[in-house]
Amino acid sequence: KAGVTQTPRYLIKTRGQQVTLSCSPISGHRSVSWYQQTPGQGLQFLFEYFSETQRNKGNFPGRFSGRQFSNSRSEMNVSTLELGDSALYLCACKSAGGGTDTQYFGPGTRLTVL
Amino acid sequence: AQSVTQLGSHVSVSEGALVLLRCNYSSSVPPYLFWYVQYPNQGLQLLLKYTSAATLVKGINGFEAEFKKSETSFHLTKPSAHMSDAAEYFCAVAPSGGSYIPTFGRGTSLIVHP
Repeated sequence: KAGVTQTPRYLIKTRGQQVTLSCSPISGHRSVSWYQQTPGQGLQFLFEYFSETQRNKGNFPGRFSGRQFSNSRSEMNVSTLELGDSALYLCACKSAGGGTDTQYFGPGTRLTVL
Repeated sequence: AQSVTQLGSHVSVSEGALVLLRCNYSSSVPPYLFWYVQYPNQGLQLLLKYTSAATLVKGINGFEAEFKKSETSFHLTKPSAHMSDAAEYFCAVAPSGGSYIPTFGRGTSLIVHP
């Protein structure tokens, strides 16, 4: 079966701009989570969506937002970009969002903010 | 609250030698524990997970980990390292109830020398 797809893979933006990243989960997987990965902070949880509803949220400012569509595809948006937002953004999906379900990660979107 | 400590940001072994990557966790509730591997320019791939069944967990690529509650540890081992094992390894802990959102360690880079 097809894996998790993230688009675009690479993105360069300037400070103050906004960006939208997309994630298409494995077919049938309804839980989509987003993570930010940086050398300084490691992997940090942004938010999780399940059946179009935000189910959990990490400790990030309101500039970071997301949504999920009826086909489980998810987008995350970052407004008013800052240099510190440069990171690898990973999305991960699970079939039903249970604790024992395996989480499958996409390859990530590398965002560079200049 | 939960946290993960991975001892050693870099571990270097010779091909054929034992691999031991250390992970200690803290959790206020019984945990689920995971090991992931990340190759360059790729997302994370699940190696194995502990979800309160057998304490010795076998994963893919010959890796295994043992859950030791008394030591709050979940160290990852492999009897014989291959060059292809060179990658970044992440330990993660998640609560066994509630949000199931994992907290990741900072990662250990495994270097394999010929």
